[in-house]
Amino acid sequence: AQSVTQLGSHVSVSEGALVLLRCNYSSSVPPYLFWYVQYPNQGLQLLLKYTTGATLVKGINGFEAEFKKSETSFHLTKPSAHMSDAAEYFCAAGGGADGLTFGKGTHLIIQP
Amino acid sequence: GAGVSQSPSNKVTEKGKDVELRCDPISGHTALYWYRQRLGQGLEFLIYFQGNSAPDKSGLPSDRFSAERTGESVSTLTIQRTQQEDSAVYLCASSSWANYGYTFGSGTRLTVV
Repeated sequence: AQSVTQLGSHVSVSEGALVLLRCNYSSSVPPYLFWYVQYPNQGLQLLLKYTTGATLVKGINGFEAEFKKSETSFHLTKPSAHMSDAAEYFCAAGGGADGLTFGKGTHLIIQP
Repeated sequence: GAGVSQSPSNKVTEKGKDVELRCDPISGHTALYWYRQRLGQGLEFLIYFQGNSAPDKSGLPSDRFSAERTGESVSTLTIQRTQQEDSAVYLCASSSWANYGYTFGSGTRLTVV
């Protein structure tokens, strides 16, 4: 069974600062990896995904994530935070018949 | 349709009543998933359909929960004899290829009073 751990239930950064949201997965086989964003009272929107190939994945809204097999990590970054980035971010792993396993989420707060 | 549609968007029901939640996936998406999101928590996987077949129903929380899907279209999640702990947002997602990320609906917020 897979598990996904997101470090920090809340992360606060200043507008313009680097955003780093951490995600580690536990799996004997490197899974497919995803980051989703959820704005208040909305469903989840796919930010980016890693399936195979290049380990640095670029997504929407300037976000990117790097798959590091040796560290079993898939951290999400954005060079410069914007107020509109304030939302809940979920890391997920897996797929197929077992569905995706989600982390508990990280609430990103942007300070003006 | 253009996106995954869920209805109703909000449902308040009395404890002990049955509720039916509907998900209309993106046309052509063969895979469909139901998740539950309790307040302040992550997503809990409930069930997966490939076409109208659900290979594994063990993720459903109890025998009060059931789900079905007609062909590769609409799915319904039914909760019988609702309890207060069933209060959550129920999210549906569909995918054209099981491992390549899902498109989520906006969810149904269920409140059991």
